Amino acid sequence: AQSVSQHNHHVILSEAASLELGCNYSYGGTVNLFWYVQYPGQHLQLLLKYFSGDPLVKGIKGFEAEFIKSKFSFNLRKPSVQWSDTAEYFCAVNANTGFQKLVFGTGTRLLVSP
Amino acid sequence: SAVISQKPSRDICQRGTSLTIQCQVDSQVTMMFWYRQQPGQSLTLIATANQGSEATYESGFVIDKFPISRPNLTFSTLTVSNMSPEDSSIYLCSVVPPGSTDTQYFGPGTRLTVL
Repeated sequence: AQSVSQHNHHVILSEAASLELGCNYSYGGTVNLFWYVQYPGQHLQLLLKYFSGDPLVKGIKGFEAEFIKSKFSFNLRKPSVQWSDTAEYFCAVNANTGFQKLVFGTGTRLLVSP
Repeated sequence: SAVISQKPSRDICQRGTSLTIQCQVDSQVTMMFWYRQQPGQSLTLIATANQGSEATYESGFVIDKFPISRPNLTFSTLTVSNMSPEDSSIYLCSVVPPGSTDTQYFGPGTRLTVL
């Protein structure tokens, strides 16, 4: 069965600090990878996704993620965070089999202090 | 993407009662999904709802507890039956809009508290 691990449950950063959130998955086949974000009081939104091609993908609000197949990882990065990035971030995976079932990580709560 | 609405946005219910949650989408979609997010935990898929067929439930979820209807391509309901405090969660629906190729978009969720 697929599983997704997010190593950091809570992260606290100051504005302008760099961010990297870890995500590892377990599945031997081809996968689609996603990062979703949930801002306080808002619903879950797609941040970025990887299906194929360039393993470095860029999303909204200056976020990017790198797919490293050999490490089964899809880490999220942002060079300089802002207070408005305070949110919960979820990594998710679905096996590229057409069934579209998403398996989510446990989420990382990011707090950016001004 | 798609505009997805859910009703109710939140509710407080008594043990042993049932609650039906509605999910409405602004475009026709083949599959809709229902997820649960228990307090402090991640999202877990309950079932996949295809129009015109029985919903497909994930391991640990059964139709008697979580009956789902999918009467047309823009609407679905999830009922949480015979509720207990352990059912207190956020329930979310998601869809793959036309042209979105395996990308799910989520509704705002229904926050359920069972006393």
